[in-house]
Amino acid sequence: ETGVTQSPTHLIKTRGQQVTLRCSSQSGHNTVSWYQQALGQGPQFIFQYYREEENGRGNFPPRFSGLQFPNYSSELNVNALELDDSALYLCASSLGGMHRTNTEAFFGQGTRLTVV
Amino acid sequence: DQQVKQNSPSLSVQEGRISILNCDYTNSMFDYFLWYKKYPAEGPTFLISISSIKDKNEDGRFTVFLNKSAKHLSLHIVPSQPGDSAVYFCAANTQNRDDKIIFGKGTRLHILP
Repeated sequence: ETGVTQSPTHLIKTRGQQVTLRCSSQSGHNTVSWYQQALGQGPQFIFQYYREEENGRGNFPPRFSGLQFPNYSSELNVNALELDDSALYLCASSLGGMHRTNTEAFFGQGTRLTVV
Repeated sequence: DQQVKQNSPSLSVQEGRISILNCDYTNSMFDYFLWYKKYPAEGPTFLISISSIKDKNEDGRFTVFLNKSAKHLSLHIVPSQPGDSAVYFCAANTQNRDDKIIFGKGTRLHILP
């Protein structure tokens, strides 16, 4: 049990719609990263939030956006959904910033998004 | 541009034998390497890591070896057990910048009875 929880676990949306995915980070962790895992691929980094600020972004278009809240939980928003957005979306929490050490990130179970 | 490569999509090993999963990387800035294990319908679970200043790290049945000159790392599991059947992801990051983790595509390990 990592303490990282994601909701919902499964979601079906129609092309063009918008979706919000949620993540509660592990207690004591101040950094949340979001990853997209397409079928047969490894997780791909979308972006990271540290203390409510975006702290790095992968190669994803602006319609992928996020938020981090004062309690370090986070949201991933995707606008104008496309069929290729169908994937497992993973959230990972870690301890970043000045307290960063060589520690691993803990992942939630993921949200399976299907766009039809 | 795949910075972390796992060239074997799958591997089958007899129970009790050694499982060796390989990984290559191209970015010489990586300074921290991780292995994650993933079961179906679950998120990746951290298994073991190694800093670039070391060449070996051992934790129980799991040992990771790092060859910086070859930009290669491997995960050894011995003895292999049925519960080790899963997808294993090799990953890397540059800890002096951020916690962005670059993953390989994974290797599916099957432990045979």
